[in-house]
Amino acid sequence: DVKVTQSSRYLVKRTGEKVFLECVQDMDHENMFWYRQDPGLGLRLIYFSYDVKMKEKGDIPEGYSVSREKKERFSLILESASTNQTSMYLCASSLKQGLRSYNEQFFGPGTRLTVL
Amino acid sequence: GEDVEQSPFLSVREGDSSVINCTYTDSSSTYLYWYKQEPGAGLQLLTYIFSNMDMKQDQRLTVLLNKKDKHLSLRIADTQTGDSAIYFCAESIRLGANNLFFGTGTRLTVIP
Repeated sequence: DVKVTQSSRYLVKRTGEKVFLECVQDMDHENMFWYRQDPGLGLRLIYFSYDVKMKEKGDIPEGYSVSREKKERFSLILESASTNQTSMYLCASSLKQGLRSYNEQFFGPGTRLTVL
Repeated sequence: GEDVEQSPFLSVREGDSSVINCTYTDSSSTYLYWYKQEPGAGLQLLTYIFSNMDMKQDQRLTVLLNKKDKHLSLRIADTQTGDSAIYFCAESIRLGANNLFFGTGTRLTVIP
């Protein structure tokens, strides 16, 4: 059974704290993604990684950084948390895309982060 | 990113059909997808359609694609309470692209 796990379901932090969100997948997928989900805005891509130590900015990278030291693990870092980063954070993974294959992403259950 | 728009809410009675709509802006979309998010869970792929098709049926699910109007819909026949969830459409804008652009989501509520 394919699995993407996230380190916490709920997290409460204070403004200015450094926050680490961890994601692990057991499917040997090349690609990993971090999204944030907000009502009325849907899913917005923060960063993605298509290989170990590789990363690409998504639509809203400001205030975030990422780390991928091992293939199965992708970390999202909030260097100095702010209240506007209160959100649901979803991690996903997928196989590297071939030219003829559809693109299925597998999602973790999400981390609801509240910044006070 | 690309603009992928959905109506935010839909309510239907159990046993009726549900139709969830999506409009997208990029005419080069290759695959279009429907994902389902149940309460407290991540998203799961429900179905997808390649851009050279205009319809795909999979049991109770029917996907319709109108490329001219850039409109995608998901019809759920005989809607059940277990279908209550948030539904997201998504698009790949080229073959081999690793990332998807997701819509704003439609929360479907099924009334018993």
